[in-house]
Amino acid sequence: NAGVTQTPKFQVLKTGQSMTLQCAQDMNHEYMSWYRQDPGMGLRLIHYSVGAGITDQGEVPNGYNVSRSTTEDFPLRLLSAAPSQTSVYFCASRPTGERNSPLHFGNGTRLTVT
Amino acid sequence: GNSVTQMEGPVTLSEEAFLTINCTYTATGYPSLFWYVQYPGEGLQLLLKATKADDKGSNKGFEATYRKETTSFHLEKGSVQVSDSAVYFCAHRDNYGQNFVFGPGTRLSVLP
Repeated sequence: NAGVTQTPKFQVLKTGQSMTLQCAQDMNHEYMSWYRQDPGMGLRLIHYSVGAGITDQGEVPNGYNVSRSTTEDFPLRLLSAAPSQTSVYFCASRPTGERNSPLHFGNGTRLTVT
Repeated sequence: GNSVTQMEGPVTLSEEAFLTINCTYTATGYPSLFWYVQYPGEGLQLLLKATKADDKGSNKGFEATYRKETTSFHLEKGSVQVSDSAVYFCAHRDNYGQNFVFGPGTRLSVLP
């Protein structure tokens, strides 16, 4: 039972480079989301999706793109990395049909932009 | 808007001490409330939850009661262990949306 799988675990980028953070879940959850975790600021929502083909912006979407072509996958793209995007990124999912179900988190990707 | 406030810490306790981590929230309607725990190098794991007023969530010796009148969901444990050292996050999801709102997290260190 893999749950939510994120790759890579660590990544170092130079300013201006692009990359994709991968997220996959095997629980058939409709809802998927991306958060960034920064010291003293908790988790902030970047983008989310309530099903394949549907995405929406969260609290801090600038500089990030997402797509949801399948139920299982929800990649996060950094178009042109900036030092302000140095953070730990978490993907999370939940079933929307269960009203009080919690979020299930991946183990995170630690990104450093130099 | 929706928000969660919790004591940021760090909180340092001796083993077997009593723990309280305060959490208050603002939300529309009647939200579901959650406590998550994050151990070093890992993602967040659900610790406990409560879904309506006066509900008590409990797990691994931790407890929290949904207090609608004070909009609070304080986390307590009667006797902490070294293995409880982690970051604890309070969160809510309101009944009108799909998204969760998290507090800033409270780092707990338990010394032997």
